[in-house]
Amino acid sequence: DAGITQSPRHKVTETGTPVTLRCHQTENHRYMYWYRQDPGHGLRLIHYSYGVKDTDKGEVSDGYSVSRSKTEDFLLTLESATSSQTSVYFCATRGEETQYFGPGTRLLVL
Amino acid sequence: EDQVTQSPEALRLQEGESSSLNCSYTVSGLRGLFWYRQDPGKGPEFLFTLYSAGEEKEKERLKATLTKKESFLHITAPKPEDSATYLCAVQVHGSSNTGKLIFGQGTTLQVKP
Repeated sequence: DAGITQSPRHKVTETGTPVTLRCHQTENHRYMYWYRQDPGHGLRLIHYSYGVKDTDKGEVSDGYSVSRSKTEDFLLTLESATSSQTSVYFCATRGEETQYFGPGTRLLVL
Repeated sequence: EDQVTQSPEALRLQEGESSSLNCSYTVSGLRGLFWYRQDPGKGPEFLFTLYSAGEEKEKERLKATLTKKESFLHITAPKPEDSATYLCAVQVHGSSNTGKLIFGQGTTLQVKP
């Protein structure tokens, strides 16, 4: 258990509205990741961070931005949500051996 | 292109009926292979890491093995509480700094009493 929490756990929003998801960790891990999980696609990397203010794109980064102003917090923002961004979002941190995941945020964009 | 494929997509077993899940990979160079368990509505939970062909890891009724092209997750005498989705992921050489993982789509296991 890497001490990862995500908020909110569930969210319903409308197309075109901005949405921010938060990931908080208590392990002081340097690396943090945002994934989305969809049926038929598995877990896909959106963005990741390798330190405060240091971020990079993953394989499905279009329409998403991230920020990391503190080691413990990693924010994922959908600037203008679309129905294709309806998904379950997971945050992860990199521990000694592998990545450890948070409980997820279920997002529905109407 | 680096790729991970898991089979079968779904597996139904009777309690006590042993079986195996497969994870085949095509990568430029394997640094590590990881198995996770995911229960409905929860995040993936780490199970095992394998680094080289011939390596094996065990935990309760689960045993993971690795060859140069694939990994197997063997489930011996499963119980209903083993029902979950099992995810396989690989880390390739060159991504060791970022720690990025490539995931398969998972195998959903259902064990009936």
